[in-house]
Amino acid sequence: EPEVTQTPSHQVTQMGQEVILRCVPISNHLYFYWYRQILGQKVEFLVSFYNNEISEKSEIFDDQFSVERPDGSNFTLKIRSTKLEDSAMYFCASNTGLKETQYFGPGTRLLVL
Amino acid sequence: GENVEQHPSTLSVQEGDSAVIKCTYSDSASNYFPWYKQELGKGPQLIIDIRSNVGEKKDQRIAVTLNKTAKHFSLHITETQPEDSAVYFCAEWHSGGGADGLTFGKGTHLIIQP
Repeated sequence: EPEVTQTPSHQVTQMGQEVILRCVPISNHLYFYWYRQILGQKVEFLVSFYNNEISEKSEIFDDQFSVERPDGSNFTLKIRSTKLEDSAMYFCASNTGLKETQYFGPGTRLLVL
Repeated sequence: GENVEQHPSTLSVQEGDSAVIKCTYSDSASNYFPWYKQELGKGPQLIIDIRSNVGEKKDQRIAVTLNKTAKHFSLHITETQPEDSAVYFCAEWHSGGGADGLTFGKGTHLIIQP
């Protein structure tokens, strides 16, 4: 069964450093998403991506964040200058259409020191 | 803005008994309601979903009911088993309004007591 994959599973970084989180969505999916889950809290929407551009973004997704799909396979989330409060699980998701089921990856646990 | 309230935050039931988790939403435009199960250290996994044109949907031991008038939907798990222990999240989605992403509830930690 096809699944969303994410790398790395864990990332530790120093405050102010840049991090890139990678995702490989399910191959025939067209919409891609990033979500964040701070420890013990609910999953929060960050951004959606369709047709090589951002479709929608939340208030959390400020200028420190960016997304791209550089090679038609990987979907990346970049945090330019990490802050302590960026520590969270980051989940990638994808689906075939906006109304369709979103399938989530296993997540990347980011720890900013 | 969208808001999803989920109750209870923790639910402990005896193995074999039923578990019910409830969610309410505020946006009448909401038309898709998935439930996700999240095990420790893993991503959310879809277990069942319902769309606004349906009042109830069942898949083996799992069922979801939707009351659009009251703006609430519930997850029902019957004959609970130890492997049902996890955190369960309800979510909602609606078309238009700049809301591509799902809005999640805060989660229910379901504990199945042997």
